[in-house]
Formats: sequence, C-alpha cells, structure tokens
Amino acid sequence: GDSVTQMEGPVTLSEEAFLTINCTYTATGYPSLFWYVQYPGEGLQLLLKATKADDKGSNKGFEATYRKETTSFHLEKGSVQVSDSAVYFCALSKIPMGDYGGSQGNLIFGKGTKLSVKP
Amino acid sequence: DTGVSQNPRHKITKRGQNVTFRCDPISEHNRLYWYRQTLGQGPEFLTYFQNEAQLEKSRLLSDRFSAERPKGSFSTLEIQRTEQGDSAMYLCASNDFPHTKNIQYFGAGTRLSVL
Repeated sequence: GDSVTQMEGPVTLSEEAFLTINCTYTATGYPSLFWYVQYPGEGLQLLLKATKADDKGSNKGFEATYRKETTSFHLEKGSVQVSDSAVYFCALSKIPMGDYGGSQGNLIFGKGTKLSVKP
Repeated sequence: DTGVSQNPRHKITKRGQNVTFRCDPISEHNRLYWYRQTLGQGPEFLTYFQNEAQLEKSRLLSDRFSAERPKGSFSTLEIQRTEQGDSAMYLCASNDFPHTKNIQYFGAGTRLSVL
C-alpha cells in the first residue's frame, strides 16, 4: 500500500545551521506531497506542498522539491531558528488531478521528525 | 475564521468506560476527517464525512468506535468500552472540498489516556 518514510529523529541543530529532513514515498499514480509542522501544544499546520513532479513547495524559508525519479520530497532550510523547533511530518494524498468529489483524499503521514534548535 | 476546534483537549478515563469527543470544523467546510496519532507515530486516518454522510472508514475503526456528523457541521467520535490501546491523540481536520482539496486544516486534538 501507499506509505511515507521519513528520517528518524530527534534532530538537534544549532541556530543558523542547515537543515535537511529526508522523506521518501511509495505510491501508485501521482500523489500530492506535503510537509506539515506541529508546534508544541498546537495542531498540525501545512508548511508547504507540491502537486506534481518537479514542483517546488516553499514557505517560511523551507523548501522541498517533488522528485518522481527518486520518489522523494526532502525538506530543507538554509538557516534554522530556535522558533523552528517542532515536529515535522511528511505526507501524501492520493487525490488525482481533476477528481472533484469521488475520492477519499485522506492524508498518509510519515512518523514525524522532531527538530530541536539550540541558540 | 476560528479554525478547527476540538473538545475536550484532554480526557482521562478508566478502562471500560465510554468517551465522546467533539470536533467543530471551520465554518462551511464540507469535509471532516478523523485521525488517530499514537506516541512516536504520524497520524493515521480513521474516517471522513462529506457533509453529514460518512463516506469511508478505516480498518483501524473497530466496532467500538462510532462517528457522527448529524447536521453536516460538528462531528462526534465515541469510543465504547475503552481499552488501554485506545490511548492516543485524536485529531480532526476539515476542508472545503474540492476548492481546497489538497489542504486539510487540523485542530489541536484531544488526548485520551485510558487507565
């Protein structure tokens, strides 16, 4: 079945360090890919998304590129801040393009990677 | 827009008791999803509604679990005869399908502890 695998944490970095969190997926067809972030005590928030191959999602200095050839969607940030400390989840959704109502559309998540950034 | 609201935030119960959680989605969102997240894992899909119709249930949703969305607005998730293995964070999400079909908006969750 469809699945998402992301690197295990926790990841501890110093402020201004470079961040990479690896994510690979297994899915038939053409899934949409997402990164969600969960800050302590809060709900999951969409960080960025990409809906087709070679798309780059970006937000708040984070980037991820949809690589169909390697089935990957790695999250990167050039300079992390203490405020980026959170749990990051990679996810996929199987809504095909042009589908308006029939499909399930639930998200399939990886296990999450906890990031701690030290001052 | 007040976001997705879930109540209670925390619930402690004894094994064998019944519990009910509530989710209020973002106003006018027609789809509502329930997920379960156990410690160290990502959220796992349980069920979803389009308006008041429950369209899909995961095999994770045993017979002790029931979900409703009677008027197509808020939803409730009930667990009967709770077991220790039910201890988890229960997350609710909503979206305005198909307009925001690729984005789900999550609540902060209800954390259930079964003693």
